[in-house]
Parts: sequence; C-alpha cells; structure tokens
Amino acid sequence: GENVEQHPSTLSVQEGDSAVIKCTYSDSASNYFPWYKQELGKRPQLIIDIRSNVGEKKDQRIAVTLNKTAKHFSLHITETQPEDSAVYFCAASNPNDYKLSFGAGTTVTVRA
Amino acid sequence: KAGVTQTPRYLIKTRGQQVTLSCSPISGHRSVSWYQQTPGQGLQFLFEYFSETQRNKGNFPGRFSGRQFSNSRSEMNVSTLELGDSALYLCASSFGGPNTEAFFGQGTRLTVV
Repeated sequence: GENVEQHPSTLSVQEGDSAVIKCTYSDSASNYFPWYKQELGKRPQLIIDIRSNVGEKKDQRIAVTLNKTAKHFSLHITETQPEDSAVYFCAASNPNDYKLSFGAGTTVTVRA
Repeated sequence: KAGVTQTPRYLIKTRGQQVTLSCSPISGHRSVSWYQQTPGQGLQFLFEYFSETQRNKGNFPGRFSGRQFSNSRSEMNVSTLELGDSALYLCASSFGGPNTEAFFGQGTRLTVV
C-alpha cells in the first residue's frame, strides 16, 4: 500500500519568512496529492492540491510542487502570517484505492 | 450549502461497550470515508463507502465496521471498546470519482475510560 512520509514534524518560522514542508510517497500509481490545514480543534481543510499531470500549482501565498520521478512533493508558504500557524498534512491518492494516505503532519508555528 | 455533519461531537464510553458514530455528507456527495486521528498515528484510513458499497477498508480489526444508507449518510460502529480506541474520528465526503476533493466533518471525539 501507499506510504507517505512528511518532514519536518515541527517548523517554527518568523513572520514574513517562507515555510517549506516536504513529502515522499511510495506508490507510483498515486496521481492526486492534496494538502490539508488543520487548526487547533477544527476540521482538516483542503488548501491546495495537485494532480500528476502538472509539476507546480500556485494559489496566492501557497504553492505546491510535484516531482513524479523522485516521488516527492512539497508545500511552500511565502510571507507567512500568524494565521498560518496550524498542522499541515500532505496526502496521496491512488485512483483505484478510494482513500487518502496521509503523512504524519507538520506543526507550523509562525512567530510574530 | 451545508457541510459535512458528524454526530455526536463528543462521547465518553467504558471499555467493552460499543459505539455508533454518524456522518451526513454534503448534499450530492455519494462517497463517505472514515479516518481515525490520534496524536501518534496521524490520520489512518478506516473505510470508504460509495452508493452503499464498501470500496476499500483499512487495516483495522473487525471490531470496526461501517455502513452507508441510500441517502448517503454513513455510520461507523466500534464494538468491545478498548482504551486505545480513544481518538478523533473524522469522516469526509466527496462526489466519489477518482481524485475528487474530500471535505471533512468536525469529527467525533471518542474517549474510552
């Protein structure tokens, strides 16, 4: 089955700096890679996703890159703000499995 | 448009009891997935239902079961509760096609004492 590894487990950044979270996956058939943000006590919410037919996708201060050959994908947050503090989960999906395989999560803290 | 609704929000049960959790998906969504979230293990996949059929099941003991009704609402049941079953149980709904966006409910926090 799919195995997703996520690094780092915690990340502390100064407000205004960038944050990068990296994930690797094992199943070469996976072709959908969403990122979820979970604030304390709240539900995970999709912030961006990428499909294997593209290498990069941006949405304002957030971007995701995908390297299919190396089986890794990354989340980039620029100009971090205090409201970016949360736990971020990467996930991978094989279209034949009907499930998301999640990384262990990264706790991001933005220092004012 | 109403989001994914899970009930109850909180539950306290005793070891050995059983529990049923409910999930109402977004209107029009036919797929419901269930995940267990714990601090040490992250989000672990339990099972997925589409049009009342289980399409996939995670690596959990048979004490964990689920079902989906014709209106796409889903329930999961855990029998003979153990202390280690204490977790946040999240359900997510989607249209059900491959690689479609999944929307999560707020979860049910289960505490087994």
